Formats: sequence, structure tokens, C-alpha cells
Amino acid sequence: TQLLEQSPQFLSIQEGENLTVYCNSSSVFSSLQWYRQEPGEGPVLLVTVVTGGEVKKLKRLTFQFGDARKDSSLHITAAQPGDTGLYLCAGTLGRNIFGTGTRLKVLA
Amino acid sequence: NAGVMQNPRHLVRRRGQEARLRCSPMKGHSHVYWYRQLPEEGLKFMVYLQKENIIDESGMPKERFSAEFPKEGPSILRIQQVVRGDSAAYFCASSPLRESEQYFGPGTRLTVT
Repeated sequence: TQLLEQSPQFLSIQEGENLTVYCNSSSVFSSLQWYRQEPGEGPVLLVTVVTGGEVKKLKRLTFQFGDARKDSSLHITAAQPGDTGLYLCAGTLGRNIFGTGTRLKVLA
Repeated sequence: NAGVMQNPRHLVRRRGQEARLRCSPMKGHSHVYWYRQLPEEGLKFMVYLQKENIIDESGMPKERFSAEFPKEGPSILRIQQVVRGDSAAYFCASSPLRESEQYFGPGTRLTVT
């Protein structure tokens, strides 16, 4: 059983489009992280959200933590080819539990 | 402050040989995690160690795989008698506290021929 489910699994969009990636669980997490992994590299931490309902912005990326701290979303505005990669959420529950991942491809 | 270091970056082993993967955590980090990733898949947790102790090895195969994080030196993930199915990217991450953000190394890509 997967504690953290991400959707969609795969997403291919045109440059300039907006998109949202979801990270859902039935467990309550004390914090949640989002990472991006590019081919051939290790995941890179993008953001940590801690408080229920918290919203954080990182340039064109907006991260939201659900009120009940069970889910999170990542919204990208005006996607660019450089946003291509595997997006992973991770919830803290004793140790970090990683989600199933969303593989994003942004076409020029 | 140097990031998480892993070596080698690429490792080729023949079936039946041993593979040793090394991970040096970020300075000040005493928690180390190992993950395995197959092509086009997500991260699969293997083991969580704190200096000299294995905290959680629930993701480690029962045979042939072992991990250590000695008082001095890097953490080692050891795979004995490798088989083709062990071919994957192995990532190490470290954190300063048990429940804090993890920082990843660049990974070791193991190929078993």
C-alpha cells in the first residue's frame, strides 16, 4: 500500500500552459516536502510546508498544504521546458515517506 | 558547505560480484537514508541509519543487502553476489534531524552485466 499517492502520474503539456499536481494521503503529516528530480540527478528540495492551509510561492510554483495536513498541491503557472522532471512529494511520518511521483514534460 | 557526496557515480559489476556504494552526508547531518530507483519509476526506500545504528531497514531485501554508517567515515550500502535485477540508481540522502528535510546525493548508477 502506498501512503502517498500523486496524480497525475504522467503529464505532457505545451510551454505556457498551467498545471496542478496533487499529493494525497489518508495519513496526517507533521510536514510535507516537494522535490524535483531531473534525469541523471538526485532529487532537489523545492519547499517544505508545515502548517495546515499554508501556501508558499517559489517564482511560478505555488505549493499548498491541505487544512488537515493530509494532502498538498503544486501549481505551475506558464510552464517552461526547464520545468520538465519528476516531481515528488514526501510526508514526514517518523521518517520521510515519498509519493509515487509525477513525471512532467513541457514541450517547447 | 559541501552537499551529499556519493561515489562512485557509475559502477559496473558482473553477476556474482560485490558492489559497495559510499555516501558522505552533509556536514552536521547524522541521519542517512538509502533509496533505490528503477528507470522511469519513483524512489523506493531501503534503509534509514543514524551513526552506528540501523533505525529502519524495512525496505531492504533480506538477503545480499546490508548497510552501515560507522562512527567515522561514510555510510556504505553493500550488495553481495549481485544479479541483473540489482541494476538501478541508488540514492543516498541525509538530514540533520530525524523528521526534517532530506538532501540527496547525485546517486550511484549500478549496472550488472
